[in-house]
Amino acid sequence: AQRVTQPEKLLSVFKGAPVELKCNYSYSGSPELFWYVQYSRQRLQLLLRHISRESIKGFTADLNKGETSFHLKKPFAQEEDSAMYYCALSNAGNNRKLIWGLGTSLAVNP
Amino acid sequence: SQTIHQWPATLVQPVGSPLSLECTVEGTSNPNLYWYRQAAGRGLQLLFYSVGIGQISSEVPQNLSASRPQDRQFILSSKKLLLSDSGFYLCAWGGRGGQPQHFGDGTRLSIL
Repeated sequence: AQRVTQPEKLLSVFKGAPVELKCNYSYSGSPELFWYVQYSRQRLQLLLRHISRESIKGFTADLNKGETSFHLKKPFAQEEDSAMYYCALSNAGNNRKLIWGLGTSLAVNP
Repeated sequence: SQTIHQWPATLVQPVGSPLSLECTVEGTSNPNLYWYRQAAGRGLQLLFYSVGIGQISSEVPQNLSASRPQDRQFILSSKKLLLSDSGFYLCAWGGRGGQPQHFGDGTRLSIL
């Protein structure tokens, strides 16, 4: 079955600490993975996608096909990183149909 | 710049009543448009997507329908709402051939 699992509903870290938001997936085809973010009182938006191999707001995510994971990482968390983060996956070549995780709420404490 | 408008923000409707949720996009042409639903404790579920005027793809059998009468307008409808239609509905748009990138504020629909 195609599935995206974000094992942590809530993750709380202190400012300046490293943060890793976990995402595991189950997919039989060739997946593309994405991270979306929703800050307080703002709209859901695309944060980054694995094929771009980019760093956005200090966040990176590497697709590990062996472990079927796409964890989102940042070496030094900032208070403004507090938000809801969603991992999603699609079939390569058809990014219209996304399968979503339930999200992880990240709280960065001062 | 591109913007997306979705309304209303909240809606309370009786069972059996009709529904019309509207979504419009500005600042882009030929976008892919999407309707999602998020039920309590569940992830976002794709309901419909559209790659052009009059072109609608339905992802799950349901009591809802969608229409795209204009390039940047996407409407979610129902003739008779069910209790199970309660949820949070999100409209989104993305570039051609790509994933959804920008979402609306959502509509909280409660069916009584």
